[in-house]
Amino acid sequence: AQSVTQLDSQVPVFEEAPVELRCNYSSSVSVYLFWYVQYPNQGLQLLLKYLSGSTLVKGINGFEAEFNKSQTSFHLRKPSVHISDTAEYFCAVTVSSNTGKLIFGQGTTLQVKP
Amino acid sequence: GAGVSQSPSNKVTEKGKDVELRCDPISGHTALYWYRQSLGQGLEFLIYFQGNSAPDKSGLPSDRFSAERTGGSVSTLTIQRTQQEDSAVYLCASSMSPGLEQYFGPGTRLTVT
Repeated sequence: AQSVTQLDSQVPVFEEAPVELRCNYSSSVSVYLFWYVQYPNQGLQLLLKYLSGSTLVKGINGFEAEFNKSQTSFHLRKPSVHISDTAEYFCAVTVSSNTGKLIFGQGTTLQVKP
Repeated sequence: GAGVSQSPSNKVTEKGKDVELRCDPISGHTALYWYRQSLGQGLEFLIYFQGNSAPDKSGLPSDRFSAERTGGSVSTLTIQRTQQEDSAVYLCASSMSPGLEQYFGPGTRLTVT
């Protein structure tokens, strides 16, 4: 069965500093990978996705992630964060040939401090 | 364009009552999903619909939970005889095709008193 582990439950960082949110997955078959962001009292918004092709994917709001098959990781990065990036971030995986149902990590709360 | 909409946004109900939650997916999206988000369990898959195929109900926590999708569009999630542990945010998502990115609605916050 697939599983997703987000290694940090909370990541505090100062404004304009770089940040990396870590995500590792477990699967014996090919996967599609996603990062979603959830602002307070809102639904989930897609940040970026890896379906195939280039392992470095760029998303909205200056975020990017790199798919590393050998390390089964899909870490999210941003070179310079803003106060408005404060939110909860979820990594998710789905098996390519399956129904597409998402398996989510437990989430990482990014706290950007001025 | 219009995104996924859900109603109601908030629902407070008494233990033992039945509730219905509604989801309107993005027009043209054939795949529809329900998830539940709670403090203790995080985000969990509940049920999946794809076109006219039989739904994948593997995530429903008990037989008190059911869902239907009429005409390949609107979906209703029904919880019978609600319990306090059903309190959570219920999220609906739709996708153009299974495996592609899912677009989420704002959720329905259910509180069982």
